[in-house]
Amino acid sequence: QVQLKESGPGLVQPSQTLSLTCTVSGFSLMDYSVHWVRQPPGKGLEWMGRMKYDGDTYYNSALKSRLSISRDTSKSQVFLKMNSLQTEDTAIYYCTREYWGFDYWGQGVMVTVSS
Amino acid sequence: DIQMTQSPSLLSASVGDRVTLSCKASQNIYKYLNWYQQKLGEAPKLLIYYTNSLQTGIPSRFSGSGSGTDFTLTISSLQPEDVATYYCYQYNSGNTFGAGTKLELK
Repeated sequence: QVQLKESGPGLVQPSQTLSLTCTVSGFSLMDYSVHWVRQPPGKGLEWMGRMKYDGDTYYNSALKSRLSISRDTSKSQVFLKMNSLQTEDTAIYYCTREYWGFDYWGQGVMVTVSS
Repeated sequence: DIQMTQSPSLLSASVGDRVTLSCKASQNIYKYLNWYQQKLGEAPKLLIYYTNSLQTGIPSRFSGSGSGTDFTLTISSLQPEDVATYYCYQYNSGNTFGAGTKLELK
């Protein structure tokens, strides 16, 4: 069955770099695109970026200068790296598969930016 | 960037009511719009894709309509389990979520 699972540090210091991993199963990263979406506590959803099935990437223009998404198809993993973190980057970070819409989601990982 | 405006931000309705949620795009997005439901403490769930296509497993009381800049999500008969926040999302040009409509029981 299709599954996605985010992993990474729960706490990041301001100005540091966030590194998250989305490990997928039940489908191939070469057949489906995977997106990253985040949600600050008590707020709405923000689309962050996408790793397309062909390896192409696309980013939210507001985050583009700080954000990088990559993958390792052999390990079925998609990676998110975002630098220069600030307190406003505190959020739940989700990875999600795209098939007509975002049909499967990970459980999300809470990331807190604090010293 | 395309902006998505949802209204109302908070909606109170009774079980059995017909409920209509609105989503407006700042420019023409044709029909490239999806709707997501998010219950408290859970990841979002896809309800409707490409404006009016019902995702597998979603009850038929949910429906979507619209095109261009104006879109609607309708729940034909509100059920207690429909209490959630609903987000529209456009993918015609870039990718943008609306701010959400929180639906509660009256």
